[in-house]
Amino acid sequence: DTAVSQTPKYLVTQMGNDKSIKCEQNLGHDTMYWYKQDSKKFLKIMFSYNNKELIINETVPNRFSPKSPDKAHLNLHINSLELGDSAVYFCASSADRGDGYTFGSGTRLTVV
Amino acid sequence: AQSVSQHNHHVILSEAASLELGCNYSYGGTVNLFWYVQYPGQHLQLLLKYFSGDPLVKGIKGFEAEFIKSKFSFNLRKPSVQWSDTAEYFCAVSPWANNLFFGTGTRLTVIP
Repeated sequence: DTAVSQTPKYLVTQMGNDKSIKCEQNLGHDTMYWYKQDSKKFLKIMFSYNNKELIINETVPNRFSPKSPDKAHLNLHINSLELGDSAVYFCASSADRGDGYTFGSGTRLTVV
Repeated sequence: AQSVSQHNHHVILSEAASLELGCNYSYGGTVNLFWYVQYPGQHLQLLLKYFSGDPLVKGIKGFEAEFIKSKFSFNLRKPSVQWSDTAEYFCAVSPWANNLFFGTGTRLTVIP
């Protein structure tokens, strides 16, 4: 029973393609997030969704768009992939108290 | 700018040595503090967290951390490290609900 699950685990694609990464949480949490971890292991928040509304949007290119069909899902869609998008993307969720953040196992995206 | 700083980029220790990893933050007001660990090729796992109360927090696997408000610090410690502690360690700060910001991480290598 994985609390936060992401698919796929690995994704290799060519430049210019459009791809999506899916995330689902079964914790009943109110907020979900996407983080990007670059090759230097730095974790940067990209988006968060609370009750289906975007509440954080850092300086992320508009080629990236989060889509939340319901409270338990937050998918990440990426258009026109670039080499620099290669990274590990982590989904996370938290309750509104902000007292705990649970992370998915990550999706390693490689753009060739 | 508000930030989370981990000054130790890479720490190399022999087994049984003591560990202390530094974390400083610059957010004002009340914050929630976390340490996460990322074993090679794996996702982020919560080691410990601090919200209020006793500033000395005990976590899993023998780790502990001390919150010193006057120094804006939340250093991670372990009296005796093991080879299996080899991993990347991230300090994170939640200055308000639904926001979690990470430090740049510290890579720990434990030599058997």
